[in-house]
Amino acid sequence: DSGVTQTPKHLITATGQRVTLRCSPRSGDLSVYWYQQSLDQGLQFLIQYYNGEERAKGNILERFSAQQFPDLHSELNLSSLELGDSALYFCASSATPYTENYGYTFGSGTRLTVV
Amino acid sequence: GESVGLHLPTLSVQEGDNSIINCAYSNSASDYFIWYKQESGKGPQFIIDIRSNMDKRQGQRVTVLLNKTVKHLSLQIAATQPGDSAVYFCAENELGQFYFGTGTSLTVIP
Repeated sequence: DSGVTQTPKHLITATGQRVTLRCSPRSGDLSVYWYQQSLDQGLQFLIQYYNGEERAKGNILERFSAQQFPDLHSELNLSSLELGDSALYFCASSATPYTENYGYTFGSGTRLTVV
Repeated sequence: GESVGLHLPTLSVQEGDNSIINCAYSNSASDYFIWYKQESGKGPQFIIDIRSNMDKRQGQRVTVLLNKTVKHLSLQIAATQPGDSAVYFCAENELGQFYFGTGTSLTVIP
């Protein structure tokens, strides 16, 4: 157990729907990162939050949004889902926003299947 | 984002042999690198890291080599075991952000 908790582990939904993925960072970590992993693209950075504030944005679609709450858990909202959104979504955390040592700690991911 | 790529998408090795997984990175300003291991159904896990002021770093059965001249990183696994079967990613750090390669799938043949 890495200490980063992601729920749900699996999600199957239809095109056009909206889902919310949840992440609880490791205890003491203030920074949360969301990544999308598909078979042909590896880990794609979506967005980073630090202590409730958006810190960095990657290749995140406008249909996707995220937030980090005062208790530091984070949610990734995916709307108007398309078949191509099917992927593994990982949350990672780190103590500081510009981390270096040992990188990020990853959760086990949420597997999203859009049908 | 940065271009971090792997030379081989898949690698099969016999149990007990040594494995070498390669990675090319594009940003010469990157000063810190990590190898991650991702087992099926799990998130990536830290294996070993190396800073740009080093050429080699050894861990338990793993060694990372860094060649800054050609911007190449490799992970060597000694006496590969079935439990080493996983996808291995390299990641480079630039200004506090990590950029990941697509991964190499290592299969250990018993």
